[in-house]
Amino acid sequence: DAGVTQSPTHLIKTRGQQVTLRCSPKSGHDTVSWYQQALGQGPQFIFQYYEEEERQRGNFPDRFSGHQFPNYSSELNVNALLLGDSALYLCASSSGEGVYEQYFGPGTRLTVT
Amino acid sequence: AQKVTQAQTEISVVEKEDVTLDCVYETRDTTYYLFWYKQPPSGELVFLIRRNSFDEQNEISGRYSWNFQKSTSSFNFTITASQVVDSAVYFCALSGRGSTLGRLYFGRGTQLTVWP
Repeated sequence: DAGVTQSPTHLIKTRGQQVTLRCSPKSGHDTVSWYQQALGQGPQFIFQYYEEEERQRGNFPDRFSGHQFPNYSSELNVNALLLGDSALYLCASSSGEGVYEQYFGPGTRLTVT
Repeated sequence: AQKVTQAQTEISVVEKEDVTLDCVYETRDTTYYLFWYKQPPSGELVFLIRRNSFDEQNEISGRYSWNFQKSTSSFNFTITASQVVDSAVYFCALSGRGSTLGRLYFGRGTQLTVWP
């Protein structure tokens, strides 16, 4: 039973560039949430996708956008990267739109220089 | 608004000691859910437990136990006879039933170090 997978593992980008992170949910899950975890902090909710629509959004600027595909996988896009965007980006999957256990992937470590 | 406070930033214990990680939450929702996650150095968050607000029974799973008290808005986590493999950052999280349904609010985490 495959768990949540994310790619790439690490990424180094320059300020002003754009980045796309990818996530495949756990088998049987149809909801994907994205979190940003700065060093020494707890994860902060970015947004959640269910049925290919953004259902919830946290306090993040429009530079952060996403997409969910028919196979439930998801992408997180960040435009005009800032130094402050450097963080661990975590993808979590769950079943349904309700409050269920969210299972996390290993994350993508993004460094903006 | 949902808020989780983990006042203990770092805890160090020696193997076989018991250790309790504190979690205090704030919410206006009458129905809510509490979670604990473990984050080892690899970075992946590992789900440990989910507790519904209407179920105040304490839970035990092996060396792990959780004490949920609505009267004090606390959901504490105890590891009995700690082991070196328990070393990790532990996060408490909250999710409400209102407009933020499905969104997890995390505390800042407690770094637990277990020395041999």
